[in-house]
Amino acid sequence: GQQLNQSPQSMFIQEGEDVSMNCTSSSIFNTWLWYKQDPGEGPVLLIALYKAGELTSNGRLTAQFGITRKDSFLNISASIPSDVGIYFCAGQNYITQGGSEKLVFGKGTKLTVNP
Amino acid sequence: DTGVSQDPRHKITKRGQNVTFRCDPISEHNRLYWYRQTLGQGPEFLTYFQNEAQLEKSRLLSDRFSAERPKGSFSTLEIQRTEQGDSAMYLCASSLLGGAGNEQFFGPGTRLTVL
Repeated sequence: GQQLNQSPQSMFIQEGEDVSMNCTSSSIFNTWLWYKQDPGEGPVLLIALYKAGELTSNGRLTAQFGITRKDSFLNISASIPSDVGIYFCAGQNYITQGGSEKLVFGKGTKLTVNP
Repeated sequence: DTGVSQDPRHKITKRGQNVTFRCDPISEHNRLYWYRQTLGQGPEFLTYFQNEAQLEKSRLLSDRFSAERPKGSFSTLEIQRTEQGDSAMYLCASSLLGGAGNEQFFGPGTRLTVL
């Protein structure tokens, strides 16, 4: 089955630093989504990507859809304490998934920001 | 706020009991999804509905699990004869067919603990 490898598993940074995390897959996706999850809550959608090579920003967040369609990265600039949480990538390909609309998630990157 | 809502937020039950969870999607969304998330993992797809039709069920959804969306609005997920391995966060998400790609918006989840 499809699997997403997300790295790093965890990051410890100082407030104000930039952060980069990525997600790779053994198969092609036609949609990449990035979510943030706080403890005890559901994932919150940050950025959605639909085209290979697409670069999209949302405030201090920037994400790119890899040219090969098998990877994506998320950058956070000038981190602040409220950026703390777990960041998940998710991919979807209804063609290779037999018409399924399900999202396949990575295991997450846990971000800690020290003030 | 008209986001996805889930009830209850927490449920503690004894092994062998039945439990039922409810999800209310974003009002105009016609697709509704159920995912399960265990500690340290990303959400895993269980099933999804388009309006009242259940279009896909994961192999994770054993015979003890049943989901319904009788009027194409809210959905229920029932687990019969619960087992300790059912302990997890159960997440509901919704999306709009024909909307922006497949942007799935999640609710806060129901945390199930089976003793």
